[in-house]
Amino acid sequence: GAGVSQSPRYKVAKRGQDVALRCDPISGHVSLFWYQQALGQGPEFLTYFQNEAQLDKSGLPSDRFFAERPEGSVSTLKIQRTQQEDSAVYLCASLKVAGSYEQYFGPGTRLTVT
Amino acid sequence: GQQVMQIPQYQHVQEGEDFTTYCNSSTTLSNIQWYKQRPGGHPVFLIQLVKSGEVKKQKRLTFQFGEAKKNSSLHITATQTTDVGTYFCALLRNAGNMLTFGGGTRLMVKP
Repeated sequence: GAGVSQSPRYKVAKRGQDVALRCDPISGHVSLFWYQQALGQGPEFLTYFQNEAQLDKSGLPSDRFFAERPEGSVSTLKIQRTQQEDSAVYLCASLKVAGSYEQYFGPGTRLTVT
Repeated sequence: GQQVMQIPQYQHVQEGEDFTTYCNSSTTLSNIQWYKQRPGGHPVFLIQLVKSGEVKKQKRLTFQFGEAKKNSSLHITATQTTDVGTYFCALLRNAGNMLTFGGGTRLMVKP
């Protein structure tokens, strides 16, 4: 498929566990974004990569959240010591080139922390 | 930073009725985007508006950007059950291209 893919689609974690969420952007897309969407809310920006460089991580809610994109394609969002308030859908989006404006979203990973 | 507020939060309509959602800001916006998210789905880009007073149409959907560039609207004519979902407006930030989303309007259509 040509779209953005994310895995796993669903993740249940016990409070205190670490989780890793993966995003495969559209091939060749330069920019990659992570958003967090709480139930009934709009997505909120977490962090942004241009190629392998993380240019903005101002939206990460705490130092338990960490993202990487080491080779400029696949990205991983890691959450350490998960808390109940981390329960949300984590959306990844990619953008073809800087300056273009249509972001393509993946299906998201629904994280439930029990 | 800049925020965008959407109203209403929810809207129930009978199939065939029209629907409008509004997006407002206290400051001048450089652009506004609209996304649709089906239940259980992900946001899908609909359109971007950048010019004062701009009006764009996509079949039964009409998008407007206010003259002062502080508000925008999405109007759906003669809703269909396929229009069900949450409609978000979003501001594309110039530095970094990240999106700031409004809270969304959830549209429910009764057949």
